[in-house]
Amino acid sequence: AQSVTQLDSHVSVSEGTPVLLRCNYSSSYSPSLFWYVQHPNKGLQLLLKYTSAATLVKGINGFEAEFKKSETSFHLTKPSAHMSDAAEYFCVVSPLNTGFQKLVFGTGTRLLGRP
Amino acid sequence: GAGVSQSPRYKVTKRGQDVALRCDPISGHVSLYWYRQALGQGPEFLTYFNYEAQQDKSGLPNDRFSAERPEGSISTLTIQRTEQRDSAMYRCASSLPPSGTYNEQFFGPGTRLTVL
Repeated sequence: AQSVTQLDSHVSVSEGTPVLLRCNYSSSYSPSLFWYVQHPNKGLQLLLKYTSAATLVKGINGFEAEFKKSETSFHLTKPSAHMSDAAEYFCVVSPLNTGFQKLVFGTGTRLLGRP
Repeated sequence: GAGVSQSPRYKVTKRGQDVALRCDPISGHVSLYWYRQALGQGPEFLTYFNYEAQQDKSGLPNDRFSAERPEGSISTLTIQRTEQRDSAMYRCASSLPPSGTYNEQFFGPGTRLTVL
């Protein structure tokens, strides 16, 4: 079975400091991996995706993630946080063997702005 | 352009009542997904439609839950004899058909269901 583990339920950052949201995955097959963001009272939005091409993936709003097979990790990073980044972030895996794109979500990491 | 819409946005019902949640996907999106998100958790897959065909319903928790998409566009998720444990955010997503690469799933704003 495919699953993802988000290691932190909350992360606090100050404006201008780096962001690191950690995610480890478990998959029997070569997975597709994603990060989605959820702002309050809004729908989920795709930040970036890894689908077995380049291991360093760039997404929207300056976010990027690196697929590391040896570590089964797909951590999300941003060099410099902005207050507008405060939201809930979900690491997601989609196995390639289901015939359709079933998404399996982690429990989420809430990114908080530190005054 | 119009995104995925869901109605109602909020639904409060009494235990034992039936509820119907509606999803209107992006025009031209033949794939439609339903997810349920409990408080403090990530969304969990419920069911998947390809056009009007329900191709996977492995995530539906029990037979009180059903979904349909009779004309391959609007979909309805129905919960019969609601229970308090059904309280959650119900999210719908749509996408282009599955292909060799990932087609982004676009999510609606969700319906917040509260069962008293």
